[in-house]
Amino acid sequence: SQELEQSPQSLIVQEGKNLTINCTSSKTLYGLYWYKQKYGEGLIFLMMLQKGGEEKSHEKITAKLDEKKQQSSLHITASQPSHAGIYLCGADGGNQAGTALIFGKGTTLSVSS
Amino acid sequence: KAGVTQTPRYLIKTRGQQVTLSCSPISGHRSVSWYQQTPGQGLQFLFEYFSETQRNKGNFPGRFSGRQFSNSRSEMNVSTLELGDSALYLCASSPLTGGTEAFFGQGTRLTVV
Repeated sequence: SQELEQSPQSLIVQEGKNLTINCTSSKTLYGLYWYKQKYGEGLIFLMMLQKGGEEKSHEKITAKLDEKKQQSSLHITASQPSHAGIYLCGADGGNQAGTALIFGKGTTLSVSS
Repeated sequence: KAGVTQTPRYLIKTRGQQVTLSCSPISGHRSVSWYQQTPGQGLQFLFEYFSETQRNKGNFPGRFSGRQFSNSRSEMNVSTLELGDSALYLCASSPLTGGTEAFFGQGTRLTVV
């Protein structure tokens, strides 16, 4: 079965610094989703990547799906306290039967001011 | 456009009881997926419903069941509750099944005592 590994598990950055979170899949990614979660709350959709080499940006967050479609990175530029939370990558394993996302364990981001 | 609505937000039940959780998807979305989130296992896929039919099922015991109504609203039921069923239950709404953005609700926090 497909597995997603996120790194790092947690990180603390100073406000204004850039950071990158990685998500590596054990199998080819057919659809890669990035979400943000505040503890105990629902997931906020950030972006979805489907094509190898695809890159999307939303405000100060950029996500890329590598050409081989087995890894994605999430980059935050000039981090702010509002960026703090748990970042989760989710993958659609290409199951033709429908949507069944698998998720990584998450990366907990703290931003110190 | 209203987001995904889950009710109730919090629930406390006793072992052996059963519980029903509700999810109203985004208007126009026909797919509803359910996930269980625990500190130990992370986010795990339960099942997906599309046009009132179960399209996909995760690796959970038969005590976990669901259904979808003609208006796309979905319910999940857990019978004979166990302590290990304590979790945050999240539902996700998608316009179609497979390969489209999935938007999550705030979740229902179930505590089994």
